Amino acid sequence: AQKITQTQPGMFVQEKEAVTLDCTYDTSDQSYGLFWYKQPSSGEMIFLIYQGSYDEQNATEGRYSLNFQKARKSANLVISASQLGDSAMYFCAMRAMNRDDKIIFGKGTRLHILP
Amino acid sequence: GAGVSQSPSNKVTEKGKDVELRCDPISGHTALYWYRQSLGQGLEFLIYFQGNSAPDKSGLPSDRFSAERTGGSVSTLTIQRTQQEDSAVYLCASSLDASNQPQHFGDGTRLSIL
Repeated sequence: AQKITQTQPGMFVQEKEAVTLDCTYDTSDQSYGLFWYKQPSSGEMIFLIYQGSYDEQNATEGRYSLNFQKARKSANLVISASQLGDSAMYFCAMRAMNRDDKIIFGKGTRLHILP
Repeated sequence: GAGVSQSPSNKVTEKGKDVELRCDPISGHTALYWYRQSLGQGLEFLIYFQGNSAPDKSGLPSDRFSAERTGGSVSTLTIQRTQQEDSAVYLCASSLDASNQPQHFGDGTRLSIL
């Protein structure tokens, strides 16, 4: 069975520090994609970054990077130089390409950036 | 508009009534998802439409819940005989296709059952 695990229900980080949000996944599929989404208190879901299972390099998008360790089945999100506006809920998600392509989500990590 | 549109944005209704929630996906997006999110919680998958394939209804919590997608575009989620535990935000998302494309989410419908 496919599963996404986010072990940190909540985190407090000082502004300007780097943050790592953990995500591990379980799948028997060889081809899959990993996604991170941000949900601020306003409720909208914002796509941040994508990593394909066959991508050689870690994905980066501005201050976001994905620390992809395929053998360990982990896809941690790294936010560099955190800002107050980064305070939000963060969800890790996975889609296996060879199944029904349904995306599954982790339970999320609530990140609080302290001034 | 350019994004996923959901209506109504808020719905308050009495227990036992039926409700219909609407989702208008981004034009050209073949995949459409419905999720439910209770306050402070994660996303609970409800149903998934992909093109002309039979929908994946494996997440629907009971037979009071149903959804349809007409013409491969607009989708309606119907909850019959609403219960108080149905109160949540219902999110719709669409994606370009069911491969490596991210989902684009609507702003959700906040449903409150009195």
